[in-house]
Amino acid sequence: GQQLNQSPQSMFIQEGEDVSMNCTSSSIFNTWLWYKQDPGEGPVLLIALYKAGELTSNGRLTAQFGITRKDSFLNISASIPSDVGIYFCAVPLMDSNYQLIWGAGTKLIIKP
Amino acid sequence: DAGVTQSPTHLIKTRGQQVTLRCSPISGHKSVSWYQQVLGQGPQFIFQYYEKEERGRGNFPDRFSARQFPNYSSELNVNALLLGDSALYLCASSLAGQGVYNEQFFGPGTRLTVL
Repeated sequence: GQQLNQSPQSMFIQEGEDVSMNCTSSSIFNTWLWYKQDPGEGPVLLIALYKAGELTSNGRLTAQFGITRKDSFLNISASIPSDVGIYFCAVPLMDSNYQLIWGAGTKLIIKP
Repeated sequence: DAGVTQSPTHLIKTRGQQVTLRCSPISGHKSVSWYQQVLGQGPQFIFQYYEKEERGRGNFPDRFSARQFPNYSSELNVNALLLGDSALYLCASSLAGQGVYNEQFFGPGTRLTVL
């Protein structure tokens, strides 16, 4: 079935560092979504991308919809302790539908 | 305004038992989706309901069933529990059945442990 490959699986970073993670697929999608999940909570949408090549920012977060429509990237600049959590990419199984398929997540950990 | 609420928060069952999980969507939201999230993985889509009708079903066995009530709340039922059903079950609500993703909100989930 369709699958999203998300990397890296986890990241140990120093506060203030920039972070990059990505998500790839063998299939083409028309929408890419990035979520963050904190412990004990449900995922929260960070950025939604609807157009190939689109670059969208949300504060210190920037995400890009790959030109091939098979990948997406999320960057976090100047990381802070509250950035800790698990970041997921997700795509809708069909257009205009909430049936999402998800990557396995990237766990962000700040080194003490 | 209250967000998406789910009950119970945690639940422990034994193999073979049945379980019912509940979800109350945000006021005014008519669509509810259910996801299963096994530890260390991303959520997997189970069901979507809109206006009390099933709009989609993921690759889950018939042991999984759901329904949506006139007040748009929803229940997820799982029969004949297996150890592998242990997971966080997430409910997400949205205004409509269409993919306006910044209008979809997830609840905190119900943690189900099957012993």
